[in-house]
Amino acid sequence: DAKTTQPPSMDCAEGRAANLPCNHSTISGNEYVYWYRQIHSQGPQYIIHGLKNNETNEMASLIITEDRKSSTLILPHATLRDTAVYYCIVRVGNNFNKFYFGSGTKLNVKP
Amino acid sequence: SAVISQKPSRDICQRGTSLTIQCQVDSQVTMMFWYRQQPGQSLTLIATANQGSEATYESGFVIDKFPISRPNLTFSTLTVSNMSPEDSSIYLCSVGGGGLEQYFGPGTRLTVT
Repeated sequence: DAKTTQPPSMDCAEGRAANLPCNHSTISGNEYVYWYRQIHSQGPQYIIHGLKNNETNEMASLIITEDRKSSTLILPHATLRDTAVYYCIVRVGNNFNKFYFGSGTKLNVKP
Repeated sequence: SAVISQKPSRDICQRGTSLTIQCQVDSQVTMMFWYRQQPGQSLTLIATANQGSEATYESGFVIDKFPISRPNLTFSTLTVSNMSPEDSSIYLCSVGGGGLEQYFGPGTRLTVT
């Protein structure tokens, strides 16, 4: 699976949009981009995934560049409860394949 | 999404002993995985728990240290054997859902003294 690169930490003001970048320049055509978050040592929580089109759900939006070498997770109105470590993972879209976690981005949402 | 429970939620154990962690899912799932998260670190995949056959271990993890059972499609156990303080971690199970995502249990926080 392709490796990902994320900034180690980011700050965001409460109520503002949080934009979390991820670089995956070696991604292959059959690999999906996944985002998970982990709030204070709880189990990671699934957020969203996509292949090449932008995706939106009730939690977030995922913007994938046309060349698929990078993506951005957008939390439209960050709250204090969104403070967490956010992981970007690329994986072949197959139920039998595993997730390998990188170091993630610690998002600090500040009042 | 699948609902996953783990037992125990936390434990404090003495070095040299073993602890078995249980993972229960509320529906049948194809894939189950075990992860370790050492203090302040990201998650590391230990192994894939295969139903009806031996687990598949990642590099650096061996069956003698982390034996895994998967007797059916809703249950798995991970044993941490002959524990040392370096085994102090959060141990998490995850399952492959009906779609392409994985879901994680709440974790078992293990402290070895």
